[in-house]
Amino acid sequence: DTGVSQDPRHKITKRGQNVTFRCDPISEHNRLYWYRQTLGQGPEFLTYFQNEAQLEKSRLLSDRFSAERPKGSFSTLEIQRTEQGDSAMYLCASSLVVGLSGNTIYFGEGSWLTVV
Amino acid sequence: QKEVEQDPGPLSVPEGAIVSLNCTYSNSAFQYFMWYRQYSRKGPELLMYTYSSGNKEDGRFTAQVDKSSKYISLFIRDSQPSDSATYLCAMSSLGAGANSKLTFGKGITLSVRP
Repeated sequence: DTGVSQDPRHKITKRGQNVTFRCDPISEHNRLYWYRQTLGQGPEFLTYFQNEAQLEKSRLLSDRFSAERPKGSFSTLEIQRTEQGDSAMYLCASSLVVGLSGNTIYFGEGSWLTVV
Repeated sequence: QKEVEQDPGPLSVPEGAIVSLNCTYSNSAFQYFMWYRQYSRKGPELLMYTYSSGNKEDGRFTAQVDKSSKYISLFIRDSQPSDSATYLCAMSSLGAGANSKLTFGKGITLSVRP
């Protein structure tokens, strides 16, 4: 079963360091999302891609965050100059959208970030 | 006021009980409604997906949507210890052709006691 795969699953970093997370969506899914989830809260939307195009970014995505999906397959989320407030689980999700159909969004296991 | 409000938890029930989980929302544009289950330190897993008002049943799970009241529910019949998890409601306003980003509730943690 090739679900949404995220790497690394856990990352502990010192404040001020840069971190990068990778997401491999379900094969042939053309839409990819990044969400952030903190303890006791539901996931919050960060950004999404349709193939390689980044079509929307949440105001939660500050200038220190950048996401890419260079060939419309895997995606990376980089956080520069990490702050303690960045500590959260970063969730990747994907879906297959064809015309106006297909809204089933599948999530990965998440990447936990702890900034110390 | 948050767009999606979910009943606060945690919730503890005995095995076999019927569980009712609820969410209210304020954005009348929401048309797609989902329930996700999330085990500790795992990603959310889609349980139920409904469009507009009505009921949908899948095994022991029933999802209800009342758009006139802006209220959705998930019922779990014959609850099992394996149902112990956090349940998240989620909704979106646009179909898949546009950005179908999800707005989630905070989640409620359910514990089913053997």
